[in-house]
Amino acid sequence: GAGVSQSPSNKVTEKGKDVELRCDPISGHTALYWYRQSLGQGLEFLIYFQGNSAPDKSGLPSDRFSAERTGGSVSTLTIQRTQQEDSAVYLCASSLTSAGFSYNEQFFGPGTRLTVL
Amino acid sequence: AQKITQTQPGMFMQEKEAVTLDCTYDTSDPSYGLFWYKQPSSGEMIFLIYQGSYDQQNATEGRYSLNFQKARKSANLVISASQLGDSAMYFCAMRTNSGAGSYQLTFGKGTKLSVIP
Repeated sequence: GAGVSQSPSNKVTEKGKDVELRCDPISGHTALYWYRQSLGQGLEFLIYFQGNSAPDKSGLPSDRFSAERTGGSVSTLTIQRTQQEDSAVYLCASSLTSAGFSYNEQFFGPGTRLTVL
Repeated sequence: AQKITQTQPGMFMQEKEAVTLDCTYDTSDPSYGLFWYKQPSSGEMIFLIYQGSYDQQNATEGRYSLNFQKARKSANLVISASQLGDSAMYFCAMRTNSGAGSYQLTFGKGTKLSVIP
């Protein structure tokens, strides 16, 4: 398809385990964003990629969270030693560029629902 | 710091009536963009409408229009002739430059709209 895809759609894990969440942005989109949506905190920015580099990691909640992007395309968000408070929907979005002075919509994927038991 | 406030956690509207969803924002940046997204129960974030801070006219997209009052820092979404399929969560979001080259979105808490026949 032409949209942003994410996998898995649902992930249930045990506290303390590591998880990897994958995002495939729209082909040609250079900017990629990860957000987290939880009941208590709403939608929060996590990290931004321009190409393969991440100039803004300010939203990552702890050093258990990391992300990488390869080939200017696929991105993986890794959560180590998961905690129950990590339970949330993790959303990925991509946009054509990172330009902020024009209409430059972020297209969202369907999200990965993470449940930590 | 940027902030988006949506004061209506939930709303009920009669089908075919017009509905206004409130959004106020706070930023010291002179250049910013305002977005409205719809999130149905399926979880996908669907872009509805965009308003740039320097745009002179209010944005319109089909049944959606944005009542942009810059001096009041408000960007209310108006949905004309509401339909049952409009029932969803609606998020107001603001895009500004984080200073690290990122134009991530800051979201409000959302308004749950329920359209009844």
